[in-house]
Amino acid sequence: GAGVSQSPRYKVAKRGQDVALRCDPISGHVSLFWYQQALGQGPEFLTYFQNEAQLDKSGLPSDRFFAERPEGSVSTLKIQRTQQEDSAVYLCASSSSPDNSYEQYFGPGTRLTVT
Amino acid sequence: GDSVTQMEGPVTLSEEAFLTINCTYTATGYPSLFWYVQYPGEGLQLLLKATKADDKGSNKGFEATYRKETTSFHLEKGSVQVSDSAVYFCARGRGNKLVFGAGTILRVKS
Repeated sequence: GAGVSQSPRYKVAKRGQDVALRCDPISGHVSLFWYQQALGQGPEFLTYFQNEAQLDKSGLPSDRFFAERPEGSVSTLKIQRTQQEDSAVYLCASSSSPDNSYEQYFGPGTRLTVT
Repeated sequence: GDSVTQMEGPVTLSEEAFLTINCTYTATGYPSLFWYVQYPGEGLQLLLKATKADDKGSNKGFEATYRKETTSFHLEKGSVQVSDSAVYFCARGRGNKLVFGAGTILRVKS
């Protein structure tokens, strides 16, 4: 079956540009997560949705980062006025349950490079 | 705060060698514990998990035991293969999210 997909896979943005990263979770998964993975590091939590509700956005590094999931399925992570420190791989994951003991299924990530 | 610490890599082994990758976590409550693996060019995949103390997770010859007394969840495999070369991430559950370690690169030579 289809896994989590993300697009684009690679994005190069000039500093100051806005970008939008898309995540298509596994169909029927209620929970959706965004993580940021810097080079050589583990993923770090950004935000969490249960259906369309954004229940936790404590990991978003600044108010330039915004995420939405308006119909409880596809999600978009938007970064405004990109900075060089935003360069990272952005991972999306989905899960069939809000319980953290359930497996999170990860997409391949979007590699963002800000020049 | 909550954190996960795992041994630094890269770890380089010959085929059929024994593997241990150490992982410790800060203990607030009794979190679920996970090992994820990232093969070259692929996304993160769950390798195994344990949800309570003394549980042993196992998959593809890998094992890890949830040790509450030492707050550890070390990954082991008795005989590694070249195909096990990947980056391994230890993680703990916190609320509804995962907190990851920095990852350990494993290289297996034939």
